[in-house]
Amino acid sequence: ETGVTQSPTHLIKTRGQQVTLRCSSQSGHNTVSWYQQALGQGPQFIFQYYREEENGRGNFPPRFSGLQFPNYSSELNVNALELDDSALYLCASSQGRDSGNTIYFGEGSWLTVV
Amino acid sequence: QQQVKQSPQSLIVQKGGISIINCAYENTAFDYFPWYQQFPGKGPALLIAIRPDVSEKKEGRFTISFNKSAKQFSLHIMDSQPGDSATYFCAASMESGGATNKLIFGTGTLLAVQP
Repeated sequence: ETGVTQSPTHLIKTRGQQVTLRCSSQSGHNTVSWYQQALGQGPQFIFQYYREEENGRGNFPPRFSGLQFPNYSSELNVNALELDDSALYLCASSQGRDSGNTIYFGEGSWLTVV
Repeated sequence: QQQVKQSPQSLIVQKGGISIINCAYENTAFDYFPWYQQFPGKGPALLIAIRPDVSEKKEGRFTISFNKSAKQFSLHIMDSQPGDSATYFCAASMESGGATNKLIFGTGTLLAVQP
């Protein structure tokens, strides 16, 4: 167990809808990142939050957005869902944003868009 | 230049054998190289990691070999067990002005250890 918890674990949405995924980081971790993992692929970096501010973004469109709260928990929001958004969404936390800080992943939220 | 190339895509090893997975990178700014293990339906779990100032790191049955000049690194699993059957990902990150511990993942290797 990494102490990173995500909800919901599975969900099905219709194309065009919006979804919110939630993540509680490991105790003491102030940095949360979100990754998208398509079936059979490696995780792809979406964005990172450090002390409630976005601290870097991958190659994802603006309809992917997020928040980090004062307790360092985080949300990932995806608007106007597309079929290609079907994937495992992983939340990861670390104690700081420096390269080399161990990154712990949650179990993920499986999103299916139909 | 941000890519990490991983091979093989899949690997079958007999119990007790050595599993070897290789990764290569182009960007010399990468300064941290972790390996993650992922079981079906689970998130990736950190196995072992290395910095480029070290050529080898061993933790139990898992060893990372790092060749800075060739820009390659590999994971060796000694005495492979059926419980090691999983997908393995190499990754890399670097200090940058933005997300300094953003991980760039390889494409994964599906390891099957036969009893």
